[in-house]
Amino acid sequence: DQQVKQNSPSLSVQEGRISILNCDYTNSMFDYFLWYKKYPAEGPTFLISISSIKDKNEDGRFTVFLNKSAKHLSLHIVPSQPGDSAVYFCAASRSEYGNKLVFGAGTILRVKS
Amino acid sequence: KAGVTQTPRYLIKTRGQQVTLSCSPISGHRSVSWYQQTPGQGLQFLFEYFSETQRNKGNFPGRFSGRQFSNSRSEMNVSTLELGDSALYLCASSLEADDNEQFFGPGTRLTVL
Repeated sequence: DQQVKQNSPSLSVQEGRISILNCDYTNSMFDYFLWYKKYPAEGPTFLISISSIKDKNEDGRFTVFLNKSAKHLSLHIVPSQPGDSAVYFCAASRSEYGNKLVFGAGTILRVKS
Repeated sequence: KAGVTQTPRYLIKTRGQQVTLSCSPISGHRSVSWYQQTPGQGLQFLFEYFSETQRNKGNFPGRFSGRQFSNSRSEMNVSTLELGDSALYLCASSLEADDNEQFFGPGTRLTVL
């Protein structure tokens, strides 16, 4: 049972344009959501997170939007840069389960220059 | 500040053998979690340790075990290796038990022949 889904295996975007990565979840008990970026042969790197009490969180070029009623979150990268090319993972957690993260399958982002 | 370190980085074992992987968290971090990444199943939570106690456990057989030492360093052990255990094993650390922001190491690539 996939509780966190990233339905787009890959996304290709032109440099300077907006990248939008999507994530859906099924478990309404999740109360914290995170995005990680992963390069080959490296571990995931934390990008940005959002608590379920918010609907938006912004950090520089990265903004995460949360729609609790739709159980959907998205990561916006503006403007996209070639160095953003990586695999992006959405993850979710529940407070009572401590640091246990449930990950989506990932989306490969390619930013073309 | 040094990041999460994992040793060894690469490992080749044969079926039936056992293996021990090591993780040193970021200095001051007291929570350590382990994840398995495979092409078919993605990133899956194995277990989490805090103050030398296992707080959470994922859906893996008893062949997978771990422990944490008083200096927060952690080891995980897999006994009676199977071909399907071939994966990237990632360790993540965080300051506290309920600190959602986790920092990942580069992983140990285990190949079972």
